[in-house]
Amino acid sequence: EVQLVESGGGLVQPGGSLRLSCAASGFTFSSYWMSWVRQAPGKGLEWVANIKQDGSEKYYVDSVKGRFTISRDNAKNSLYLQMNSLRAEDTAVYYCARAIAPDYWGQGTLVTVSS
Amino acid sequence: SSELTQDPAVSVALGQTVRITCQGDSLRSYYASWYQQKPGQAPVLVIYGKNNRPSGIPDRFSGSSSGNTASLTITGAQAEDEADYYCNSRDSSGNLYVVFGGGTKLTVL
Repeated sequence: EVQLVESGGGLVQPGGSLRLSCAASGFTFSSYWMSWVRQAPGKGLEWVANIKQDGSEKYYVDSVKGRFTISRDNAKNSLYLQMNSLRAEDTAVYYCARAIAPDYWGQGTLVTVSS
Repeated sequence: SSELTQDPAVSVALGQTVRITCQGDSLRSYYASWYQQKPGQAPVLVIYGKNNRPSGIPDRFSGSSSGNTASLTITGAQAEDEADYYCNSRDSSGNLYVVFGGGTKLTVL
């Protein structure tokens, strides 16, 4: 059974940093592109970033370029999102998802940016 | 980057057929995927590729595409189909940016 479990969310002040993690199991993690998708309270889904199987290609939505970094550790079956210079508009549930057109999603972790 | 446009809300009578559409230039080159999201839950993939359903998705869900428009059709809508539906696709720029539609709230009357 495919499982994706996010962790690392919480309350952070504007300008602060947070690192999200996603533990994957039930499939060959190193064979898949992986993605982060977020959803602000009461809003729609927004793609944030994705990363190739070996980490050699990474893509980001314009609003997070230069602030967020996606990475992975295939030996640990884990996906990460380092978020720096956080803004109020980054407040959202962050989902880890398998593939570019995601077929499996985690349950999400809430990030709240507020003073 | 590309955009995908969806109607904000659609309603359907119980047991009837409803079509939810998604428009965008990238759909001329790439298929859309469709996701169902119920309150407080993660999205669930319901249609991908030309017209493929993941295991466990009822066959009343189907997908189609023409030009710059992708459609999700629910034939014989059930009460449990009431949810938000999102389309997504690759960006038309040719690299691997991704875009989601704004979502359609489906109400089953």
